[in-house]
Amino acid sequence: AQSVTQPDIHITVSEGASLELRCNYSYGATPYLFWYVQSPGQGLQLLLKYFSGDTLVQGIKGFEAEFKRSQSSFNLRKPSVHWSDAAEYFCAVGNSGGYQKVTFGIGTKLQVIP
Amino acid sequence: DADVTQTPRNRITKTGKRIMLECSQTKGHDRMYWYRQDPGLGLRLIYYSFDVKDINKGEISDGYSVSRQAQAKFSLSLESAIPNQTALYFCATSDRAGGGVNNEQFFGPGTRLTVL
Repeated sequence: AQSVTQPDIHITVSEGASLELRCNYSYGATPYLFWYVQSPGQGLQLLLKYFSGDTLVQGIKGFEAEFKRSQSSFNLRKPSVHWSDAAEYFCAVGNSGGYQKVTFGIGTKLQVIP
Repeated sequence: DADVTQTPRNRITKTGKRIMLECSQTKGHDRMYWYRQDPGLGLRLIYYSFDVKDINKGEISDGYSVSRQAQAKFSLSLESAIPNQTALYFCATSDRAGGGVNNEQFFGPGTRLTVL
């Protein structure tokens, strides 16, 4: 069965500092990987996704993620965090089976301090 | 206007009551999903539908039922609400084109349900 681990439930960074949110997945084949962001009171919005090809993926809002098969990881990064980035971030893994199930991690809540 | 809408946005009800949460979409997508979100548990899939005649249980379907009234409408019902169904509920859609999974899911704003 596929699974996703986000080891950090809560992270605090200073505005302007760099950010890395960790995500590890478990899946037997090449996974489909996603990062979503949930702002307070909102639904989830896709930041970026990986299916194949270049392992460094660029997304919206200046975010990027790198797929590392050897580490089963898909960490999200941003070089300089803005106060508006404060939100909850979800990593997700999808399979290539008949249903094409997507499994979400428990989320990492990002706090940005001035 | 929002592409995926959910009604109501907030609902407080009592144990044993029947509740319906509604979802409508204007994206023209075939696939629709219902999730619940609980702190520390992320999003868990309740039901999903690939078209009007194709409805499937997710990982936590007990105590819930759904109806796909049209391509654009997907309703979630709690036949007899209980307190541990207190959660944030999300509807989502995705496009069948390209195989489905490599397309993002578009989420509604959520319905916060409290069962007393």
